[in-house]
Amino acid sequence: DQQVKQNSPSLSVQEGRISILNCDYTNSMFDYFLWYKKYPAEGPTFLISISSIKDKNEDGRFTVFLNKSAKHLSLHIVPSQPGDSAVYFCAASDRATDSWGKFQFGAGTQVVVTP
Amino acid sequence: NAGVMQNPRHLVRRRGQEARLRCSPMKGHSHVYWYRQLPEEGLKFMVYLQKENIIDESGMPKERFSAEFPKEGPSILRIQQVVRGDSAAYFCASSGTSGISDTQYFGPGTRLTVL
Repeated sequence: DQQVKQNSPSLSVQEGRISILNCDYTNSMFDYFLWYKKYPAEGPTFLISISSIKDKNEDGRFTVFLNKSAKHLSLHIVPSQPGDSAVYFCAASDRATDSWGKFQFGAGTQVVVTP
Repeated sequence: NAGVMQNPRHLVRRRGQEARLRCSPMKGHSHVYWYRQLPEEGLKFMVYLQKENIIDESGMPKERFSAEFPKEGPSILRIQQVVRGDSAAYFCASSGTSGISDTQYFGPGTRLTVL
């Protein structure tokens, strides 16, 4: 039962351009969302989060947008840099049920930033 | 300032053997989470532990898998009588508190291969 879906397994973007990663979820009780970044042979690294009371959160080059009615969130990276080449995971949690931080992860999107 | 440490990084076992995966959380962290990543899939939550307590094991297979986080020493994920389907990357994460907003820091993972 995949409750968090990243339908694009890969994304190629030119350096300096915007990367847009998408994530859809099915559980309307999810109210906290995160993005993690993962390099090969390393563990995921926390990138940015957003609570359902917001529709946008920005941190430097990274912005996460949340559309609750569509059960959709996206991560924008601008401008994209070669070091952004990694796998990006979307994760979601229902804080009422799993208050301690149990996350459901998507399958990931491989981003490749080309010169 | 060591991060989350996992060992071994790679583990090869034959079917029917036991696998023991170790996780040392970040200094000062008392909450440990285990995730499994099967090929081409996202991370799947397995178990959440605090010192000497299993808080949530809803993601653990009912048989052959167990986890502990003793008062002293690392957290251990134990898989008895491994089968080929257990081949995966196993990630451990830790946090300082159990709050939903508390970032989980991931280790580099243990790649288990069952022959």
